[in-house]
Amino acid sequence: NAGVMQNPRHLVRRRGQEARLRCSPMKGHSHVYWYRQLPEEGLKFMVYLQKENIIDESGMPKERFSAEFPKEGPSILRIQQVVRGDSAAYFCASSPFKLNTEAFFGQGTRLTVV
Amino acid sequence: AQKITQTQPGMFVQEKEAVTLDCTYDTSDQSYGLFWYKQPSSGEMIFLIYQGSYDEQNATEGRYSLNFQKARKSANLVISASQLGDSAMYFCAMRDSMEYGNKLVFGAGTILRVKS
Repeated sequence: NAGVMQNPRHLVRRRGQEARLRCSPMKGHSHVYWYRQLPEEGLKFMVYLQKENIIDESGMPKERFSAEFPKEGPSILRIQQVVRGDSAAYFCASSPFKLNTEAFFGQGTRLTVV
Repeated sequence: AQKITQTQPGMFVQEKEAVTLDCTYDTSDQSYGLFWYKQPSSGEMIFLIYQGSYDEQNATEGRYSLNFQKARKSANLVISASQLGDSAMYFCAMRDSMEYGNKLVFGAGTILRVKS
């Protein structure tokens, strides 16, 4: 049973380009959470999705960021027109139930904007 | 909103000794969940232990135990018999609310260094 898979592990984008981060939850998990970790900081919640629905996007910047979790395929975090301040590690976590005693994290995608 | 405070930016411990990492939380909810994660230098987030607010006993997982003091709103992580491989960043986290599932609020973390 594979864990939460995130790809790519490392992503370099020039300012103004788009970044697409993918997260495949564990099999049977329908709840996905995205977090961002700036250097030397803890993780900050961005968005909570279930299949085809955004449940809570209170942590998402109002512009340039979007997320989806389609019926088929991975969850996607999309950042348009990236800026240097977007450089961070982006983690995805999944759960089989709404309230689970463990949130299973992927290995993260490290985005560097040059 | 929930808040997690980890007051120790860094800790040192001698190999084979026990160490306690502090975590206090702030919530007005009666039902909540507390988590500890380990983040080694390679960057992944490794789940260590979970404590529910209604759990009567402190959670334990191998060398990890959680010293849960509900009245003081503290959930300290105790690592027994420290190993060199325990050197990492440790995060305490809390469910933000029961409404939003496993949406977690994280503390700033504590860097633990194990000395040989």
